[in-house]
Amino acid sequence: GAVVSQHPSWVICKSGTSVKIECRSLDFQATTMFWYRQFPKQSLMLMATSNEGSKATYEQGVEKDKFLINHASLTLSTLTVTSAHPEDSSFYICSAALAAEETQYFGPGTRLLVL
Amino acid sequence: DAKTTQPPSMDCAEGRAANLPCNHSTISGNEYVYWYRQIHSQGPQYIIHGLKNNETNEMASLIITEDRKSSTLILPHATLRDTAVYYCIVSFTGNQFYFGTGTSLTVIP
Repeated sequence: GAVVSQHPSWVICKSGTSVKIECRSLDFQATTMFWYRQFPKQSLMLMATSNEGSKATYEQGVEKDKFLINHASLTLSTLTVTSAHPEDSSFYICSAALAAEETQYFGPGTRLLVL
Repeated sequence: DAKTTQPPSMDCAEGRAANLPCNHSTISGNEYVYWYRQIHSQGPQYIIHGLKNNETNEMASLIITEDRKSSTLILPHATLRDTAVYYCIVSFTGNQFYFGTGTSLTVIP
């Protein structure tokens, strides 16, 4: 199957700083990427849908000014958590849609800890 | 919101078939049924998907009822490495996934 990578795999930062997470489709071009968040012992929650060259679509309750998404190319989407606070500590996962195969492939996730 | 319901947990003996049910009674005509699994602290792994017909690949089989209101994922010979949370998702191709709570499968030696 298609491979999706994320960088970094884990990050620790101080409260008030910004953190950027990269999501790359390694062997295919993805016109659409998705960002999810997962808190301990909970399911994945969709945060936003990212389309190459256009603004992301955010789910209800997700602050677009806090979670900045950029999808600059067909293989890269970035999520920036601005002014991170301890409650933003979570497991952030991206996925990329491979239209020809009707499926989504997920990255390994990025664990964020805000102190 | 998730359009699926799954039992919260199941056990299966190693080497036996694991049958994981999923109800999706409000599925639309062109929505696919997808199955993914998530092993602790990893991203979800694609298993299989289908629209109307039963599907089989090297990992599993997917049985979809004729009315498409429910489906069953079958792992034919469960191993300890199959212990994971299994998610059933219905979605139009290329669209967002809304995850439910999934089924935590434990394979017992």
